Amino acid sequence: KAGVTQTPRYLIKTRGQQVTLSCSPISGHRSVSWYQQTPGQGLQFLFEYFSETQRNKGNFPGRFSGRQFSNSRSEMNVSTLELGDSALYLCASSLDVGGARETQYFGPGTRLLVL
Amino acid sequence: AQKVTQAQTEISVVEKEDVTLDCVYETRDTTYYLFWYKQPPSGELVFLIRRNSFDEQNEISGRYSWNFQKSTSSFNFTITASQVVDSAVYFCALSSIGGSTLGRLYFGRGTQLTVWP
Repeated sequence: KAGVTQTPRYLIKTRGQQVTLSCSPISGHRSVSWYQQTPGQGLQFLFEYFSETQRNKGNFPGRFSGRQFSNSRSEMNVSTLELGDSALYLCASSLDVGGARETQYFGPGTRLLVL
Repeated sequence: AQKVTQAQTEISVVEKEDVTLDCVYETRDTTYYLFWYKQPPSGELVFLIRRNSFDEQNEISGRYSWNFQKSTSSFNFTITASQVVDSAVYFCALSSIGGSTLGRLYFGRGTQLTVWP
């Protein structure tokens, strides 16, 4: 079974621009979560989607948004990029059986550099 | 509040040595999951193990073993006879089973393990 895939793998943007990252979950997984990893703050939870609905959200400004499609693929968008948004963005997928959260399996991440 | 502490920032060992990575967690929940993930230089987080808070049995998988002690809120990870391929950053994580933080992973800051040949 194919793992979680993320595109693009690397991205360079300038301040003020916006960016969209994509995540395809493991086949059959309906929950997708996003995390930001930086040297200063470590791994931080952004949000989680299930059945095209955001179920949980971390403490990030409104510039960070996401969505999920009917095939469980997810995108996250960051508008008005700031230098501090430079990070590795990780997507994770999991089964959701009867509301019980299962193990999250991660993709390779998208490395975003904001200049 | 959920919190995971990995006090060891970096560990260096020589191949074939045993090494233990420490993890201490804080939670008010009675039901939770604990995890270990490995992050090689490529960046992907690789799942290693999940433990339910009700299951305090130690686990062994090949050269890997985990010691879960609820009394000390610790979930330590031991690699026996370490190999160069074990070099990576290892993360301990906590997840609640209920409440508003359901399903969200709380990570420690990670331990960089370097195994020298």
